[in-house]
Amino acid sequence: KNQVEQSPQSLIILEGKNCTLQCNYTVSPFSNLRWYKQDTGRGPVSLTIMTFSENTKSNGRYTATLDADTKQSSLHITASQLSDSASYICVWNDYKLSFGAGTTVTVRA
Amino acid sequence: EPEVTQTPSHQVTQMGQEVILRCVPISNHLYFYWYRQILGQKVEFLVSFYNNEISEKSEIFDDQFSVERPDGSNFTLKIRSTKLEDSAMYFCASSSPGQYNSPLHFGNGTRLTVT
Repeated sequence: KNQVEQSPQSLIILEGKNCTLQCNYTVSPFSNLRWYKQDTGRGPVSLTIMTFSENTKSNGRYTATLDADTKQSSLHITASQLSDSASYICVWNDYKLSFGAGTTVTVRA
Repeated sequence: EPEVTQTPSHQVTQMGQEVILRCVPISNHLYFYWYRQILGQKVEFLVSFYNNEISEKSEIFDDQFSVERPDGSNFTLKIRSTKLEDSAMYFCASSSPGQYNSPLHFGNGTRLTVT
């Protein structure tokens, strides 16, 4: 059974628009929850790391939220740019990183 | 900014052959990892390495796999007898002390193709 479900599987947005990606998890406890960005053919790059005590964490135009009660996390991208086209992966750390399947975001001009 | 480097970027090998994938982690990092990603699938944990020994490994990391830090800078993954299903992108990663809340820095991977 998947311990993390990400939605949507993919989405297309226009440049300059905002979007929100969802991550619902069942696994707990864990030490932290992370969001990574993976460009096609490249290694994942860390965007945010949140512990249980944190509700929100920002990294530039990326803002992650964490609700431990509902076991949900989201990643909000503000004012999207063409370079935001990538896969965004929710990752939980239970002493090793376990990756979700990701949401593929395509930003169009 | 320091980065993790991996070589080669693409390796083609015949089934049954041995391959060694090489990685140079960030110099002051102490924790090292290998992950793999089969085309179109999610990133999967293989093994973590700390203090010159394996700290954790997944069920994927069977006796055909081994890791080594031969000289204090390189970190290698060896597959002794490759199978078709070993075809994947292999990512090396490293992190600094304070492992659990430190970001993992990934290399750009080695694409392994087993024919």
